[in-house]
Amino acid sequence: QKEVEQNSGPLSVPEGAIASLNCTYSDRGSQSFFWYRQYSGKSPELIMFIYSNGDKEDGRFTAQLNKASQYVSLLIRDSQPSDSATYLCAVFISSGSARQLTFGSGTQLTVLP
Amino acid sequence: DTGVSQDPRHKITKRGQNVTFRCDPISEHNRLYWYRQTLGQGPEFLTYFQNEAQLEKSRLLSDRFSAERPKGSFSTLEIQRTEQGDSAMYLCASTREGSTDTQYFGPGTRLTVL
Repeated sequence: QKEVEQNSGPLSVPEGAIASLNCTYSDRGSQSFFWYRQYSGKSPELIMFIYSNGDKEDGRFTAQLNKASQYVSLLIRDSQPSDSATYLCAVFISSGSARQLTFGSGTQLTVLP
Repeated sequence: DTGVSQDPRHKITKRGQNVTFRCDPISEHNRLYWYRQTLGQGPEFLTYFQNEAQLEKSRLLSDRFSAERPKGSFSTLEIQRTEQGDSAMYLCASTREGSTDTQYFGPGTRLTVL
């Protein structure tokens, strides 16, 4: 079982719709959770992070965390063609001197005009 | 521009050659991370530094890989005797201690081994 799992997609939504991206993780010691966006050929760009159960909103983006279910999601409201990219879920664990961000394989999102 | 920078952006080399990549973190960030990313996969953690100390290196892919951060500022990642399987994007990220470990990535170095 992979430590961080995402549906690879592709996920297609029409412009203006809500895109829902999901992620599950296996390590219950995971402490914080990140969503990155990555355009083809570019490096990951931070969208937002969450570390408490519940919802966190930032503009058109909402991250949701449920630690009991080991589940993180990202909602993108009013999706735009410029949101078309791969979305990476990442989970952070620290233990002693060890600090590590573990990524899923990403979900490819296409927003259709 | 005060973001993370990496040099070179692209490197083409022949199998068996050594390559070295440089990363300059955001100036006030004392933690620096290296990752490798292959097509269709998320970044894979390799190693990290806190100031000049390399605190985790067990994930380096083989003994051909090594990293340094001698003065706690920029870092280098060296791959010796490159193999075709080393072709990938090598990413550097930095963060500031006590900042919820939010990591900011540089543009990456794309390595192609012929």
